[in-house]
Amino acid sequence: EPEVTQTPSHQVTQMGQEVILRCVPISNHLYFYWYRQILGQKVEFLVSFYNNEISEKSEIFDDQFSVERPDGSNFTLKIRSTKLEDSAMYFCASRSDGTDTQYFGPGTRLTVL
Amino acid sequence: DAKTTQPPSMDCAEGRAANLPCNHSTISGNEYVYWYRQIHSQGPQYIIHGLKNNETNEMASLIITEDRKSSTLILPHATLRDTAVYYCIVRVSVGSGGSNYKLTFGKGTLLTVNP
Repeated sequence: EPEVTQTPSHQVTQMGQEVILRCVPISNHLYFYWYRQILGQKVEFLVSFYNNEISEKSEIFDDQFSVERPDGSNFTLKIRSTKLEDSAMYFCASRSDGTDTQYFGPGTRLTVL
Repeated sequence: DAKTTQPPSMDCAEGRAANLPCNHSTISGNEYVYWYRQIHSQGPQYIIHGLKNNETNEMASLIITEDRKSSTLILPHATLRDTAVYYCIVRVSVGSGGSNYKLTFGKGTLLTVNP
């Protein structure tokens, strides 16, 4: 069964550094999402991406965040200058055009020191 | 904010049916109810969704009341591996065109299946 994959599984970085989290959505999917979950808290929506543009973003998704689909298979989330409070699990999800279901990847644990 | 209310925790005996309730009294007529679960810190796993009618798949059944203000997820024969946080979510449309949506997670129900 096709799955969403994410790399790396765990990323440790210093505060102020840039990080790029990578996702490979399910191959025929056209809608892409990022969510995050701070330890012990709820899963929060960050951004939705469709047709090579952001279709919705939350207030968390400020100028420090960006998303890109660089090569038709990967979907990336970049944090330009990480802060301690960016430490969280980041989940990528994807959905095909003809279905109502978002499928999530296993997540990347980001630790900012 | 999440538009749903769920009990924070429930217990169930292995092999028994687990019935997880959810209140969504402010749901609109065209909003779907989704159920996901999360085991430890893994990615949320889709279970089932519905609009008005009851739904069943290989994982679970979803019973939606006639007024659509509440629903119940039923795991017919719970196993230890079903121990997880279960989220009841009302889908929220985003962007233009009405074809896209986001999931707004609440705190969910921690279901513990006991031997």
